Amino acid sequence: DAGITQSPRYKITETGRQVTLMCHQTWSHSYMFWYRQDLGHGLRLIYYSAAADITDKGEVPDGYVVSRSKTENFPLTLESATRSQTSVYFCASSLGLRQADTQYFGPGTRLTVL
Amino acid sequence: GQQVMQIPQYQHVQEGEDFTTYCNSSTTLSNIQWYKQRPGGHPVFLIQLVKSGEVKKQKRLTFQFGEAKKNSSLHITATQTTDVGTYFCAGEYNQGGKLIFGQGTELSVKP
Repeated sequence: DAGITQSPRYKITETGRQVTLMCHQTWSHSYMFWYRQDLGHGLRLIYYSAAADITDKGEVPDGYVVSRSKTENFPLTLESATRSQTSVYFCASSLGLRQADTQYFGPGTRLTVL
Repeated sequence: GQQVMQIPQYQHVQEGEDFTTYCNSSTTLSNIQWYKQRPGGHPVFLIQLVKSGEVKKQKRLTFQFGEAKKNSSLHITATQTTDVGTYFCAGEYNQGGKLIFGQGTELSVKP
């Protein structure tokens, strides 16, 4: 029972480089989410997806791109990384029905942009 | 925009003391959830409150949802060192499927 996994767990990159963070869930949950966590800001929603090929912006989408060609995968791409994108990134999934269901979080990816 | 404010940001208690964290929204929530994140870990779901005035208990944890569905609280009775972590509330507006997280309250417990 793998649940929800993220890779890599740690990443160091340089300003201007493209970085892709991977998220994979084995529950066939409809909804998937990407959050970033920074001190003093809690968890801020970057993008979310209600189903394959359906994505929508969250609170802080600028500088990020997502895709969801398969239900189980939801990669997050930083097209040109900036220092302000240094953060811990969490992927989450939920069954997703009429109300916001329980969200199950992955272990997180700690990204440092130099 | 929609925002969930959570206070306090930090709370340091002696083991055995009680702890409370509060969440407030300027607009009505359809439901609110609470999560706990241990140091170095990821958020883990604790509970969901849906009804106006709802109160739920999990052992030493008591969760309340305000009558106007704009505020919520989490109270821990007689804290233990295992309660250490950051507690987040997360509110949903208009059943849109998205959650707006509060900033979290970091609890430390001194043995």
